Amino acid sequence: GAVVSQHPSRVICKSGTSVKIECRSLDFQATTMFWYRQFPKQSLMLMATSNEGSKATYEQGVEKDKFLINHASLTLSTLTVTSAHPEDSSFYICSARRTSGGLNYEQYFGPGTRLTVT
Amino acid sequence: QKEVEQNSGPLSVPEGAIASLNCTYSDRGSQSFFWYRQYSGKSPELIMFIYSNGDKEDGRFTAQLNKASQYVSLLIRDSQPSDSATYLCAVNGASSGGSNYKLTFGKGTLLTVNP
Repeated sequence: GAVVSQHPSRVICKSGTSVKIECRSLDFQATTMFWYRQFPKQSLMLMATSNEGSKATYEQGVEKDKFLINHASLTLSTLTVTSAHPEDSSFYICSARRTSGGLNYEQYFGPGTRLTVT
Repeated sequence: QKEVEQNSGPLSVPEGAIASLNCTYSDRGSQSFFWYRQYSGKSPELIMFIYSNGDKEDGRFTAQLNKASQYVSLLIRDSQPSDSATYLCAVNGASSGGSNYKLTFGKGTLLTVNP
């Protein structure tokens, strides 16, 4: 159990366009999902925390109007990179926390989406 | 500011040896601790979590937690070349709980197991 999928796995887009990335928890419900970004040979950087049915909480320095997050159901969160630029090229990874109550902080990661903006 | 520190490595061990990965954290109120494995170009994979002081074993992996010393470690017995990866330590702090459940990640230790 605890499988998280992401789609697409790889996307190339032109500068100025928008890209939507989907994150799904396949076999469990996830009240909370997280979006990370990772540049080559660097550590994970948390971008935002997404709670089902409410607005996402963005980390300092992350533009909420550029990175739109929607968490409309207990199994789906989406990240839309708006007006993408080459500097947005990165590996975007989502994770989901199992909604099982108690001390359940485990996060399970999706396989990631590699975004290239030309 | 909450911090999680790991030796960046690389840590190189021969096949069959024990690999020991270490992690310290600054938030004394941290409640839960995780080890993730990340292969190059892939996303992290959860391999162990530990909530209580002491040891927790799962197959070839043992996580050790010492809250008094703010120290968590991962031992990999009988290391295999397929264990070669970056190992990320992650901590959930007391101030990160509630509705957020954020994890603070270390920068990771690169482990190389030589055949």
